[in-house]
Amino acid sequence: GAGVSQSPSNKVTEKGKDVELRCDPISGHTALYWYRQSLGQGLEFLIYFQGNSAPDKSGLPSDRFSAERTGGSVSTLTIQRTQQEDSAVYLCASSPQGDQPQHFGDGTRLSIL
Amino acid sequence: GNSVTQMEGPVTLSEEAFLTINCTYTATGYPSLFWYVQYPGEGLQLLLKATKADDKGSNKGFEATYRKETTSFHLEKGSVQVSDSAVYFCALSDNMSGAQKLVFGQGTRLTINP
Repeated sequence: GAGVSQSPSNKVTEKGKDVELRCDPISGHTALYWYRQSLGQGLEFLIYFQGNSAPDKSGLPSDRFSAERTGGSVSTLTIQRTQQEDSAVYLCASSPQGDQPQHFGDGTRLSIL
Repeated sequence: GNSVTQMEGPVTLSEEAFLTINCTYTATGYPSLFWYVQYPGEGLQLLLKATKADDKGSNKGFEATYRKETTSFHLEKGSVQVSDSAVYFCALSDNMSGAQKLVFGQGTRLTINP
C-alpha cells in the first residue's frame, strides 16, 4: 500500500519568503509527526498531531513555524520569513496510534538562498 | 532532558566482519529504544526496537539489547553485507505523553566493502 507521501521533494527559496510543506500520511493513521534533519542539529522533533486533540508543538524552534492538520489527514508545515538556518530536510511520519512505530516519508529538502 | 549519544562515524568494514555501533542514552523514567536505518536514497525505516529493560530487539540479523544498568542499546551484527551500507540512528521515546516523540542520536554512516 501507499506510504507516507511528502511534497515537494525539493524546495529552493529566497531568504524571507514563506514556504509550505505537505504531508499525506498513511490512510487510517491517527498520529502524525514532523521532524527536521539538519547538519548542525541532527534529527529533531518539531510537532505531533493525534486525532482531534490539540497538537504538541513543543519542538517548534520559533514562532515562524506552524503546522496544521485538516480533517485528521493531510498536514501542512509552514515556515514564515525563512532564514538560512531553516535549510534542512523536513520529515513527516505517521503511525496507527501515538504509541506505535512510525512510518517515515522521504522528506522535503529545503534550501534557503 | 532526554538525549542519545551514538558512536561517531563513518565506519568502514569489510564484508562478513562483525559490527558494533555503540549507543547510550539519558532519560527519565523508562524509555523505549529504537534503531532506525536510512539506506541511500530512501527514507528512515525502523530496524528494531525494545520497550523494557533486558528486552532484545532483532531484525535482518541485527540485534540490540536494552541495558538499563549501563543505559545502552548497542547495535550488533555478526556478519555484515554490502547491502547493510546505510546511516544508522539510535533513538528513544519517553512514553510519557502517549506519543512517540523520538529523540535521535547523530547517526552513524556505515560502509561495507566487498
